[in-house]
Amino acid sequence: AQSVTQLDSHVSVSEGTPVLLRCNYSSSYSPSLFWYVQHPNKGLQLLLKYTSAATLVKGINGFEAEFKKSETSFHLTKPSAHMSDAAEYFCVVSDPVAGTALIFGKGTTLSVSS
Amino acid sequence: DSGVTQTPKHLITATGQRVTLRCSPRSGDLSVYWYQQSLDQGLQFLIQYYNGEERAKGNILERFSAQQFPDLHSELNLSSLELGDSALYFCASSAGGPLETQYFGPGTRLLVL
Repeated sequence: AQSVTQLDSHVSVSEGTPVLLRCNYSSSYSPSLFWYVQHPNKGLQLLLKYTSAATLVKGINGFEAEFKKSETSFHLTKPSAHMSDAAEYFCVVSDPVAGTALIFGKGTTLSVSS
Repeated sequence: DSGVTQTPKHLITATGQRVTLRCSPRSGDLSVYWYQQSLDQGLQFLIQYYNGEERAKGNILERFSAQQFPDLHSELNLSSLELGDSALYFCASSAGGPLETQYFGPGTRLLVL
């Protein structure tokens, strides 16, 4: 079965410093991997997705993630945090056995201080 | 705005009752997915419909059911509600293929008292 593990439940950074949100996946297949963001009292928004093309994926709002098969990782990064980046971030894998359903990690809360 | 709409935004009801959550997918999307987000279970896939037919089932309780209508909107029915059913219920839609992005609605927050 496929799964994702988000290694940090909470990450705190200062505005203008780099962001690193870590995610490891487990998959028997060639996975599709995603990062979604959820702002307070809002729905889920897709940041970026990996679908076996380029291993470095660029997303919206300056975020990017690198797929590393040897490390089974898909970490999310951003060079410089902004206050508006404070939100909950979910690493997600698609499950081809269950069709196209998404399997979510537990989430990482990103706090950004001024 | 994702283009996926969900009604109602909030729902407060009592244990043992039945509620219906409604979802309208993005224009042209054939697949609808339902997810439940709770504090203890996180975000879990419940069920998927594609063009009116059930495509996949996840951790959906027998007390819950869903359907997708000819106009492609979907309803999630929750019956014999328990306190533990209190959660945020999301609907997502996609064009349907395995690599298609799922776009999420704003969710319905259900509180069972």
